[in-house]
Amino acid sequence: DAMVIQNPRYQVTQFGKPVTLSCSQTLNHNVMYWYQQKSSQAPKLLFHYYDKDFNNEADTPDNFQSRRPNTSFCFLDIRSPGLGDAAMYLCATSRDDRPSSYNEQFFGPGTRLTVL
Amino acid sequence: AQSVTQLDSQVPVFEEAPVELRCNYSSSVSVYLFWYVQYPNQGLQLLLKYLSGSTLVKGINGFEAEFNKSQTSFHLRKPSVHISDTAEYFCAVCSSNTGKLIFGQGTTLQVKP
Repeated sequence: DAMVIQNPRYQVTQFGKPVTLSCSQTLNHNVMYWYQQKSSQAPKLLFHYYDKDFNNEADTPDNFQSRRPNTSFCFLDIRSPGLGDAAMYLCATSRDDRPSSYNEQFFGPGTRLTVL
Repeated sequence: AQSVTQLDSQVPVFEEAPVELRCNYSSSVSVYLFWYVQYPNQGLQLLLKYLSGSTLVKGINGFEAEFNKSQTSFHLRKPSVHISDTAEYFCAVCSSNTGKLIFGQGTTLQVKP
C-alpha cells in the first residue's frame, strides 16, 4: 500500500542535542509537509517542499531546518532542541500545492519527540 | 485570512447515542472543508471532505457532515457512536488562495459504555 512512513515513532533527546526526524513516502507526491503538534493543540505547519523548492512559514523558528534529498525522503532537523520543542511531529504529502486546486494531504503516523 | 472554530473542546456521549461535533469557519475566499480523526499517538486520518456539489458529505466509519454556506458551518454527525470512535477530531479548511490547511483546535469525543 502507498503510504507515508515516519521513523522513529518515538524519539528522546537531550536539551540542546541536535535531532533528526525522518519521513518517507511511496505515493510519489511532489509536496511534503512538516507539522508540529503540541499536546491538545492543532497541528501547526512548519514548512513544506514542492519538489526541491523549500517554503518556510514566517513564524517557524530558525532552530528548525529541513532537507529533501529526493522525492521519497524528507528530514526535519532540530538544531538545539529546547523543552518547548517537545511535541508530535507530523509529516504529510500531497500531489500538488497550487492554491487554486485542492490537493488532499496524506499524513504519516507521527514522531513523538521528548526533550529531557 | 481563514480561521476555524470548533465550538466544543470535549464531547462526552454514551455508546449508540447520536453525536454532533460543531465547526465554523471564516474566509473571504472559497474554501474546501475537511474533517480528520486522530487516535492516540497516531497521525491524522481523513474522515470526509467537501469540495463542491452536494452539501451533505458522507465519510468513513458512518460519519457525515453538512456544509452550510450561509452559516459558514461544517458540522460532523454520526447517528450511533461506538466505543472505538473515541478520538480527537479536527475540522480544517483549505483556502483557494493559499492552498494550506488551517486546523481548528480539535474536539475530543469520549464515548462511554
